[in-house]
Amino acid sequence: AQKVTQAQTEISVVEKEDVTLDCVYETRDTTYYLFWYKQPPSGELVFLIRRNSFDEQNEISGRYSWNFQKSTSSFNFTITASQVVDSAVYFCALSEAGGGGADGLTFGKGTHLIIQP
Amino acid sequence: DTGVSQNPRHKITKRGQNVTFRCDPISEHNRLYWYRQTLGQGPEFLTYFQNEAQLEKSRLLSDRFSAERPKGSFSTLEIQRTEQGDSAMYLCASTGREASYNEQFFGPGTRLTVL
Repeated sequence: AQKVTQAQTEISVVEKEDVTLDCVYETRDTTYYLFWYKQPPSGELVFLIRRNSFDEQNEISGRYSWNFQKSTSSFNFTITASQVVDSAVYFCALSEAGGGGADGLTFGKGTHLIIQP
Repeated sequence: DTGVSQNPRHKITKRGQNVTFRCDPISEHNRLYWYRQTLGQGPEFLTYFQNEAQLEKSRLLSDRFSAERPKGSFSTLEIQRTEQGDSAMYLCASTGREASYNEQFFGPGTRLTVL
């Protein structure tokens, strides 16, 4: 069975600090997709990134970067120079067999990130 | 296009009543998903449609839960004989046919409170 673990329940940092959110996953499939979503206080989930299991290249998008390591089954998310607007709950999710398929996404429990001014 | 919409946004009901929620996906998205999110947890997958066909429903929480997508456009999720444990946020997501189809776009959710 697939599983996503986000061990950090809550992280609090001061604005401009860098912060890394951890995600560890379990799956028996060789083809799978990993996602990060942001859920701000307004509640609507916002897609951040998708990574497939065959692409281990790290990705950078502005202040956001993602580190995918198949050897450790991890897909960590780093925010550089954090801002108050980054405060939200961040979810890591896993999809087997091509994009949700019949199983939908399996989410972790989320990490509540608090950026203090 | 304004994204996935869900109605109502909030629903308060008494235990034992039936409730129905509606989801309108992004136009031309053929896949539609329902999730439930309880406080402090990640969304939990419930069911999934491709066009009008419900391809996965074994994850619905009980036989009190049912979903339809009769014309392959909007979908409804019904909970019969609600219980206090059904109180949660119910989320809908959709995705399309393109190569990036597995990016699911979520609606704002319907928050259900069962008294």
